[in-house]
Amino acid sequence: EPEVTQTPSHQVTQMGQEVILRCVPISNHLYFYWYRQILGQKVEFLVSFYNNEISEKSEIFDDQFSVERPDGSNFTLKIRSTKLEDSAMYFCASRDRASKNIQYFGAGTRLSVL
Amino acid sequence: SQQGEEDPQALSIQEGENATMNCSYKTSINNLQWYRQNSGRGLVHLILIRSNEREKHSGRLRVTLDTSKKSSSLLITASRAADTASYFCATPLNDYKLSFGAGTTVTVRA
Repeated sequence: EPEVTQTPSHQVTQMGQEVILRCVPISNHLYFYWYRQILGQKVEFLVSFYNNEISEKSEIFDDQFSVERPDGSNFTLKIRSTKLEDSAMYFCASRDRASKNIQYFGAGTRLSVL
Repeated sequence: SQQGEEDPQALSIQEGENATMNCSYKTSINNLQWYRQNSGRGLVHLILIRSNEREKHSGRLRVTLDTSKKSSSLLITASRAADTASYFCATPLNDYKLSFGAGTTVTVRA
């Protein structure tokens, strides 16, 4: 069964460093998302992406964050200068046009900022 | 803004028993979804119930939706150890994002 894949599974970085989290959405999907889950808290929406542009972003998604679809398969989340509070699980999700609201999630990348 | 709230926060049951968890939400919805998250893993979509449906079944899962009370319940029947996970309700706020509740952690004891 097709799945969303995320790499790496765990990323450790120093505060102030840039990180890029990578995602390969399901191949025929057109809508892409990033969510994050701080340990013990809710899953929070960060950003949605469609037709090569951001559709919507949350207040969390400030200037330190950016997303890109550099080629036909990858979807990346970049954090320019990481802070301690960016430590969380980051989930990528995708959906096709037909499934409307059902999003398919990757296993996540655990980001640890030291 | 987040709008789903599950209760209880945690549930511990014996294998073979049923597990019931509830979700309340604040705004009007056109559907409500339940997801499962195994420890340290991603979210797996379980079931979607539309606003014009009152009950839906999928295998050992039964979901109800009461739009007048803005609440939903997820029942897992004849639980197994493999059902140990966190369960989240999620509502689409628009075409672009889901709002998740805090989740119910279910532990099934052998």
